[in-house]
Formats: sequence, structure tokens, C-alpha cells
Amino acid sequence: DAKTTQPPSMDCAEGRAANLPCNHSTISGNEYVYWYRQIHSQGPQYIIHGLKNNETNEMASLIITEDRKSSTLILPHATLRDTAVYYCIVSAGATNKLIFGTGTLLAVQP
Amino acid sequence: GAGVSQTPSNKVTEKGKYVELRCDPISGHTALYWYRQSLGQGPEFLIYFQGTGAADDSGLPNDRFFAVRPEGSVSTLKIQRTERGDSAVYLCASSLFSSNSPLHFGNGTRLTVT
Repeated sequence: DAKTTQPPSMDCAEGRAANLPCNHSTISGNEYVYWYRQIHSQGPQYIIHGLKNNETNEMASLIITEDRKSSTLILPHATLRDTAVYYCIVSAGATNKLIFGTGTLLAVQP
Repeated sequence: GAGVSQTPSNKVTEKGKYVELRCDPISGHTALYWYRQSLGQGPEFLIYFQGTGAADDSGLPNDRFFAVRPEGSVSTLKIQRTERGDSAVYLCASSLFSSNSPLHFGNGTRLTVT
């Protein structure tokens, strides 16, 4: 599975949009981009995934560049409860074996 | 509905002892995964079950680690002759199908080997 690169940490003001970038320049044509987050002392929580089209659900939006080499997770109105480590993962999904990196620690500030 | 349940939530054991960690997946989920997470790191894949069989056990660190899922539902991760380096949070996840369905994680079992 392709590797991803994420900034180790980011800050965001409460109520503002949080934009979390991810680079996956070696992604293959059949690999999906998944985003999970992990709040302290909890298991990872699924947020969203996509192949090449932009996706939106009740939690977030996923914007994938046309060449699919990078993506951005957007939390439209960040709250203090969104403080967590966010993981960007690419996977072909054959077994859905997700390989986690170290993610981005998003700190939402009041 | 009920999520993935892991028991116990915390386990303290002495070096050299045997431990079993239990995972109850979401009802109807055919795929089950075990991960291990050390402090400050992302979860590390251990093993994946599709039904009763282990489809991929490439992440098990050595032969002291073993996992079973005899009836295709509950799974048990077994660690023999525990070592201090086995201390970590052990996470279980399940999914509806193996391909492209999101994984649903439990909150893990924190294992401490003294």
C-alpha cells in the first residue's frame, strides 16, 4: 500500500474550518484514500473515504486532487471535540488492511 | 447499535505469563482485525480474519502471538510468555465486508507487562 505524508501537528480556531493535508504521491489507480481520527484513549473512528471524486458526509469533506497525489480533509466548523490525531491512509481495499502512519495532531483552540 | 467490544479494558500481568484478550465484533461483520498501538505511534496491523480463517497474519511479531475466531464472530488474541515489550494497547476492529467497508474499532485493551 502507498505511503502517506502528513504534518505532525496543526492548530485551528474553534468555529473555523480545519483543512488537513495529505500527500500520497505513489498512490495506485485502485487505491482509496481513507481518513480516520483517534481521540485520546479511544479507538480510531472512521471519517470518510474516496477514490477520485470529492466526497462529503455529515462529519467532513474530502477533496482529492485530479492527479490523486494529494488530498485534504475539511472539517467545516471545528469544535473542541474535534481535537484528535487524524490519520490519512491509502489502501487497495482487497483486505482493507489499513497501514497507519503517525497522523496529524489537530488541536482546536477556544 | 452496539459497537466493537473489547475485554478487559485493562490487563496487568507479570513477565512470562500467558494472557488472552477478547474482541466482540459488531453483529454480522465478517471481517475482524487486530492492531497494536504503542505510545505516540499509529496502530500497527497484526492479523485479519475473514470469517473463521486468518486471511493475513503477516503482522504478528513472533510465534508467541496467536489469534483465533472459531465461530466467525468473537475473536481471542493470545500472547504466551509475555515480555515487557508487549506492553501496548491492543485494538480490535470489524467491518461488514472486507473490501472498502470502513473499519469500526473498539477502545482497546491496555496491556501492561511488569
